[in-house]
Amino acid sequence: QKEVEQNSGPLSVPEGAIASLNCTYSDRGSQSFFWYRQYSGKSPELIMFIYSNGDKEDGRFTAQLNKASQYVSLLIRDSQPSDSATYLCAVNTWDNAGNMLTFGGGTRLMVKP
Amino acid sequence: NAGVTQTPKFQVLKTGQSMTLQCAQDMNHNSMYWYRQDPGMGLRLIYYSASEGTTDKGEVPNGYNVSRLNKREFSLRLESAAPSQTSVYFCASSDAGDTQYFGPGTRLTVL
Repeated sequence: QKEVEQNSGPLSVPEGAIASLNCTYSDRGSQSFFWYRQYSGKSPELIMFIYSNGDKEDGRFTAQLNKASQYVSLLIRDSQPSDSATYLCAVNTWDNAGNMLTFGGGTRLMVKP
Repeated sequence: NAGVTQTPKFQVLKTGQSMTLQCAQDMNHNSMYWYRQDPGMGLRLIYYSASEGTTDKGEVPNGYNVSRLNKREFSLRLESAAPSQTSVYFCASSDAGDTQYFGPGTRLTVL
């Protein structure tokens, strides 16, 4: 069973702070890693993806990947109340039929004004 | 482009009733997926279709069937609904890469 683990939260941070969201995965063969944001009652929307070890920055968001430790994280700088949502980590897996994503349970982030 | 569309948005069924959830994408993607999401849980894969004409079981396929009608459309059928199938259902599609794009979801309640 390939697993993706996230702390369910809630993670509460003050406005303007850095929010750090973490994810671990079990499949060492995974090559692609994704962060989705999901507002309450809405569908997941892609924020970032990362394929290589190290950091990848996009605006206020930074994804970090460490394949040796099987760990991926998302940093949100200058957190805003509009960032309050559930963040889903997803990791690709391969089986006989093709490429799939395995999702973690999500971390709920609350940014307080 | 509408992206991924799903119908209906909401549905209430009685135990034992059947229904089909519809999904369509206009991004010319080969792969399509059906997930369910329950409170406090992530997305669990029900069925997927890697390409037109193929379907495969995911993590939680029991009680469901699927049809890949053509490249655009992928439907999910509940033959005899049970209260345990109360959930939010999401359809997604992806291209040759890994990124999946999600539809707006269907909220299903089975009484």
